[in-house]
Amino acid sequence: DAKTTQPPSMDCAEGRAANLPCNHSTISGNEYVYWYRQIHSQGPQYIIHGLKNNETNEMASLIITEDRKSSTLILPHATLRDTAVYYCIVRVRSAGGTSYGKLTFGQGTILTVHP
Amino acid sequence: DSGVTQTPKHLITATGQRVTLRCSPRSGDLSVYWYQQSLDQGLQFLIHYYNGEERAKGNILERFSAQQFPDLHSELNLSSLELGDSALYFCASSVQQGIVETQYFGPGTRLLVL
Repeated sequence: DAKTTQPPSMDCAEGRAANLPCNHSTISGNEYVYWYRQIHSQGPQYIIHGLKNNETNEMASLIITEDRKSSTLILPHATLRDTAVYYCIVRVRSAGGTSYGKLTFGQGTILTVHP
Repeated sequence: DSGVTQTPKHLITATGQRVTLRCSPRSGDLSVYWYQQSLDQGLQFLIHYYNGEERAKGNILERFSAQQFPDLHSELNLSSLELGDSALYFCASSVQQGIVETQYFGPGTRLLVL
């Protein structure tokens, strides 16, 4: 799986957008970008995933650059409960088009949302 | 609440002992993954089961073993415990939706080996 690079920590004011970057310059065409977060020793929580198009769900938006070498997770209106470690993960897509298997977690970004 | 349950929540034991961690996946999920999270190693994949069969192994020690039962719950057995085995152990079950698989994690079991 491609290696990802994330800043170790970021701060964000409550109510503002949190933009978390991820570099995956060695990503190949058959790899998805996934984001998970972990709130204080709880189990990691799935946020969003994408291949090459921008994606949005009820939790966040994912912006992937055209060359797919980097992406940004956007939490549009951060709250104190969004304080967590955010993990950017790339996963191989099989020849059959499916994406499954182990998740390889890096160090992630510690996002602190302050009042 | 992810729908994945793990028991026990906390476990304190001594070196050399053996423990069993239990995971119940979400209803209908056939895959169970086990991960270990320690302070120095981060979150690491241990093993994956699908519908009772082992599918993949990660950095799982020979002292550790796992199985998935016909009712799809899974157990992770840790034996000859060492101080360094102290960690959070998570299981995750997954659902395949089209071409994408999403893993849902349980709350974890915190193991302390004294």
